[in-house]
Amino acid sequence: KAGVTQTPRYLIKTRGQQVTLSCSPISGHRSVSWYQQTPGQGLQFLFEYFSETQRNKGNFPGRFSGRQFSNSRSEMNVSTLELGDSALYLCASSLNPGQRANYGYTFGSGTRLTVV
Amino acid sequence: GQNIDQPTEMTATEGAIVQINCTYQTSGFNGLFWYQQHAGEAPTFLSYNVLDGLEEKGRFSSFLSRSKGYSYLLLKELQMKDSASYLCAVSRAGTALIFGKGTTLSVSS
Repeated sequence: KAGVTQTPRYLIKTRGQQVTLSCSPISGHRSVSWYQQTPGQGLQFLFEYFSETQRNKGNFPGRFSGRQFSNSRSEMNVSTLELGDSALYLCASSLNPGQRANYGYTFGSGTRLTVV
Repeated sequence: GQNIDQPTEMTATEGAIVQINCTYQTSGFNGLFWYQQHAGEAPTFLSYNVLDGLEEKGRFSSFLSRSKGYSYLLLKELQMKDSASYLCAVSRAGTALIFGKGTTLSVSS
């Protein structure tokens, strides 16, 4: 079965712009989580969606937002980009939030965002 | 809050055994995961521990002590392809996985 698909793989944006990243989870998976990965901070949790509802949110400013569609695909948006937003953005899917406890997440390959 | 600590870097030689430690402080503990991440790639699931003790999977084993807030990942018969980052992640009921900053393991010949 297809894995977790994230698009685009690479993105270069200018400060002040906004960006939208997309994630398609494994077929049948209904829970999607987003993480930001940087060399200094590791993986930091952004938000988690299940059945189109945001279940959990990390400690990121309001410029970071997301949503999930009825087909479980998810998007995250970052507005007014800053240089510090340059990172690898990873999406992870699981069957449902309870299932992750046993089987963990399946990660996508990520979107590498560079802000110049 | 919660805190997850693991060493930043480790080095080892082919054929050796290496132990990567992870300590955590959290409430509502619901299990601990280890992931492997090669440079430029997605993290991949290695192991999950929810009860105390050792879980063995081939060359990789993971140990958990809930009372001590401590886990380790043991890699035996190291191979060059084991050079990667190893991520410790804690699961809490009702929340997403929280990750440590990762341990970069370099295996040399």
